[in-house]
Amino acid sequence: GAVVSQHPSRVICKSGTSVKIECRSLDFQATTMFWYRQFPKQSLMLMATSNEGSKATYEQGVEKDKFLINHASLTLSTLTVTSAHPEDSSFYICSATGDTNTEAFFGQGTRLTVV
Amino acid sequence: AQSVTQPDIHITVSEGASLELRCNYSYGATPYLFWYVQSPGQGLQLLLKYFSGDTLVQGIKGFEAEFKRSQSSFNLRKPSVHWSDAAEYFCAVSSGYSTLTFGKGTMLLVSP
Repeated sequence: GAVVSQHPSRVICKSGTSVKIECRSLDFQATTMFWYRQFPKQSLMLMATSNEGSKATYEQGVEKDKFLINHASLTLSTLTVTSAHPEDSSFYICSATGDTNTEAFFGQGTRLTVV
Repeated sequence: AQSVTQPDIHITVSEGASLELRCNYSYGATPYLFWYVQSPGQGLQLLLKYFSGDTLVQGIKGFEAEFKRSQSSFNLRKPSVHWSDAAEYFCAVSSGYSTLTFGKGTMLLVSP
């Protein structure tokens, strides 16, 4: 299957700083990318959907000014957690789909810890 | 709105025994259905998917699932569980290109 690479896999940052997470499709063009957040022992909750070259669509309750999403190319989307606080600590996972593919391929996830 | 229910939060199965994980969905049209597995601290690995056709779907690692429209179910099965199958399993539904809606997951524990 197609490969989606997410980087970094783990990051620890200080409260008040910003963190950028990258999601890359390595062998296909990802017209749509999704960002999920997973709290401990819970399911994945969709945060936003991004289409290449367009503004991301955020789910209700997700602060777009706090979670900045950029999808500037067909192989890269980034999620920036701005002014991170301990409550932002979580597991963030991206997925991507291509033009002719109804299957979403997932990255490995990023464990963010804000101290 | 689409939704997925996984009624079992935890399931414990003896190694070598059979397994069935339940999944019920709510969706207005013909859904695309998925089962994913997640090991601790890892991303999601697709086990199998149903889009159309044969309602019994074979996946990786010896897993299979059966789509039953009348019951709105897509239960995951494996005839003989291995210790390495211990993980969390997520059922998901989508309408194709749109986003996946996940169930809350079922944690599988395998006893010796």
